[in-house]
Amino acid sequence: SQQGEEDPQALSIQEGENATMNCSYKTSINNLQWYRQNSGRGLVHLILIRSNEREKHSGRLRVTLDTSKKSSSLLITASRAADTASYFCATAPTGANSKLTFGKGITLSVRP
Amino acid sequence: EAGVAQSPRYKIIEKRQSVAFWCNPISGHATLYWYQQILGQGPKLLIQFQNNGVVDDSQLPKDRFSAERLKGVDSTLKIQPAKLEDSAVYLCASSLTLSNQPQHFGDGTRLSIL
Repeated sequence: SQQGEEDPQALSIQEGENATMNCSYKTSINNLQWYRQNSGRGLVHLILIRSNEREKHSGRLRVTLDTSKKSSSLLITASRAADTASYFCATAPTGANSKLTFGKGITLSVRP
Repeated sequence: EAGVAQSPRYKIIEKRQSVAFWCNPISGHATLYWYQQILGQGPKLLIQFQNNGVVDDSQLPKDRFSAERLKGVDSTLKIQPAKLEDSAVYLCASSLTLSNQPQHFGDGTRLSIL
């Protein structure tokens, strides 16, 4: 079963714009992670946010977590054509020894 | 550091045949995962190893799928016999430990069943 549900399913923006992607989940979590997948490649870990954290930054990435609403958002600022990829949120439920459940993903297209 | 290595990259077989995939995780990573990713979906965990022991195989179709990690390093995943619905990308990932670590993925094996 898919724990995380990303929104929107697809997003198309112009280079230089910001991209915001959302993830909602159903059960209590230990942490939430975001991954990127380029076409034909494996997933690349972007950022991990623990349940007791509210916001994390990594370069042009900003992730927020609202455990009361069971939701997270990933913001990519000043997007580049190279950011074109699928983005997945993955949740690690409480007590589940790092077993991740992935959503269906968001397809981001950044137009040059 | 070298990443997660997987082979082959592509495999085409007929239904009812058998197939095996190989994975070599990042050196020193104790935890190894096999995922199935069907087109348009996120990865689904098939099996998780901690060293050479199975931690979770609850979503592995055990009537046709098997996996081993005998020496706690590299791993093989086998399908026998294959069905049409097994067409997918099979991804291997590894992490340092079991608890709350980022996972590092290989580029996967794309399996097509005819």
